[in-house]
Order: sequence, then C-alpha cells, then structure tokens
Amino acid sequence: QVQLVESGGGVVQPGRSLRLSCAASGLTFSTYAMHWVRQTPGKGLEWVALIPYDGSSKFYADSVRGRFTISRDNSKNTLYLQMNSLRAEDTAVYYCARDAEQWMVVAPYFDHWGQGTLVTVSS
Amino acid sequence: ETVMTQSPDTLSVSPGERATLSCRASQSVSSNLAWYQQKPGQAPRLLIYGASTRATGIPARFSGSGSGTEFTLTINSLQSEDFAVYYCQQYSNWPPLTFGGGTKVEI
Repeated sequence: QVQLVESGGGVVQPGRSLRLSCAASGLTFSTYAMHWVRQTPGKGLEWVALIPYDGSSKFYADSVRGRFTISRDNSKNTLYLQMNSLRAEDTAVYYCARDAEQWMVVAPYFDHWGQGTLVTVSS
Repeated sequence: ETVMTQSPDTLSVSPGERATLSCRASQSVSSNLAWYQQKPGQAPRLLIYGASTRATGIPARFSGSGSGTEFTLTINSLQSEDFAVYYCQQYSNWPPLTFGGGTKVEI
C-alpha cells in the first residue's frame, strides 16, 4: 500500500533553515504530483506547496513563497521541502500528501497522507 | 483566494444519530470539493471528492452533497469511530488550495 514517511523536523531558531524529506513507497512516485500541507498546533490545515510529477513547475502559498522550496527526486522516490528564513508562525506539523490524480494537475486534492513531522521555530 | 467556512465549529451527537456538517465557499467551486476526516494524532483521511463521491473504502453512511458555494457532509447512524474533526477543501480556484476551519463531531 501507499506509504509516505516524513522526516527532518525538529526545533530551529527563527531565521534558520530546515529541510524536510518525504520517502514514498507503494506507488509509482514519478507519476503523481505531490504536496506539502501543514497544521499548526490545535488549528486547521494549510496547503503549503505543490510540485507536478515531473517537477516542471512549482506552486506555493503566499505565506511561504520566496522562503520555501519544494523539490523531488524521482530516482529516490523522495519529496523535499527546503525551508529558509523560518518564523515562529511556521511552527506546525508538516504533512506530505499525494495528489489524487496521476500525471496532470488539474483539480488537486489529496488521497494519501504521511503521518507528519513537527517543526518548531523558537529561540 | 477562496475562503472556506465550516459550520458549526462543534457538533454534539449521540451514537446512532445523524450528523450534518456544512461548508460554504466564498465563490463558486463547482463540484471541486473534498471532505477529510482527522482523528487525534492522525493524518487527515480522504472521505469524499467531487462533492459527492466516496473515496475507496469509505462506508456508505458518509455522503456528500452540494455544488457551487454550499456543501453538506452527512454521516448517518454515527459510529464511535466517526467522532473526529472534519475538514472541507476546495480545489477549483487554485493556487492556493484552501481548507475550511473544521467541524469537530463529539459525543
């Protein structure tokens, strides 16, 4: 079955950087767009970024554009999120999620989620 | 940005009863709406997509309806495992993809 396993979370000071990874198995990773979605403690869900199956384009939430970079390595079945200039408001559980449709991203929603990795930005 | 508003924030229901959850979009999203269930300490799980299509393995007691700006998730004959937080998400007008604030279904 599909498994998505995030790693790389932790405690980091404001202004510093962190890179999250999401290892995928049980799916043809290279044929699906992938997303990062975050959830602040006790709060709701916020979509962060999307990368199509081939990495040809990238989409970001306004709150992270210019600071975060989504990327993927299809040879390693791995999704990444490079987070720079971190702020206290970036504190959240970060989930990677698979887009429900193969190939083209037309109407993106999420059919598989990882268990998440907690990022805490604090001095 | 399309703002998604869910109501109520919390819904108190007895096991075996019906729960009706609402989701409103600030502009039309056609039928491009998904519902997710999240239990404490777990990732969200896809329940409904296309406003009314159940995802794989989702019991028939879950049903979705609506189009445009008004949507409803109905859970018939609530089971103990259904007590959770439910989120709607629009995928018509993106980026960004946007979620509602969630409805907690409690006993």
